[in-house]
Amino acid sequence: GAVVSQHPSRVICKSGTSVKIECRSLDFQATTMFWYRQFPKQSLMLMATSNEGSKATYEQGVEKDKFLINHASLTLSTLTVTSAHPEDSSFYICSASPPWGGSNSPLHFGNGTRLTVT
Amino acid sequence: GIQVEQSPPDLILQEGANSTLRCNFSDSVNNLQWFHQNPWGQLINLFYIPSGTKQNGRLSATTVATERYSLLYISSSQTTDSGVYFCAVVNRGSTLGRLYFGRGTQLTVWP
Repeated sequence: GAVVSQHPSRVICKSGTSVKIECRSLDFQATTMFWYRQFPKQSLMLMATSNEGSKATYEQGVEKDKFLINHASLTLSTLTVTSAHPEDSSFYICSASPPWGGSNSPLHFGNGTRLTVT
Repeated sequence: GIQVEQSPPDLILQEGANSTLRCNFSDSVNNLQWFHQNPWGQLINLFYIPSGTKQNGRLSATTVATERYSLLYISSSQTTDSGVYFCAVVNRGSTLGRLYFGRGTQLTVWP
């Protein structure tokens, strides 16, 4: 159990366009999901915490209007990169924790989305 | 926020060798996980180990929470072990699942 699916796995878009990335928990309900970004040769940095039915919580330095997060159901969170620019090119990865393990459940990750903005 | 430091940053091994990767963290933690990131970017969950010792085949991990460190042991390394190994923690008292990552250890295993 505890499968997290992310789509698409790879996307190339033109500068100025918007891109939507989906993160789904396939076999559990997740009231909270997390979005991370990873630049080449670097670690994963938490961007925001996605909360079902309420606004996302963004980490310091992450633009809310740039990275729109919607968590409309208990199994789906979306990240939209608006007006993408080449500097937004990165690896985006989502994660969620199944509720059955209590407050100390391990986090499970999607396979990530590699975004390239030309 | 909590600081997570991993060492060494790079490790080059001959196939068959053993290795130890270290993770130090600056505050008390609820969770600690070790991941292997493969060349395609996938994060493979190796261990969920906020304390104690676990083993899975050639890999084992030990976390000494009171001393704020964790160790990942790789025995009889294989070329398929190559990749980046990340340690990540959830700060005690922070939001559920909010993992903070170290910078990783880049492991290269030569045949």
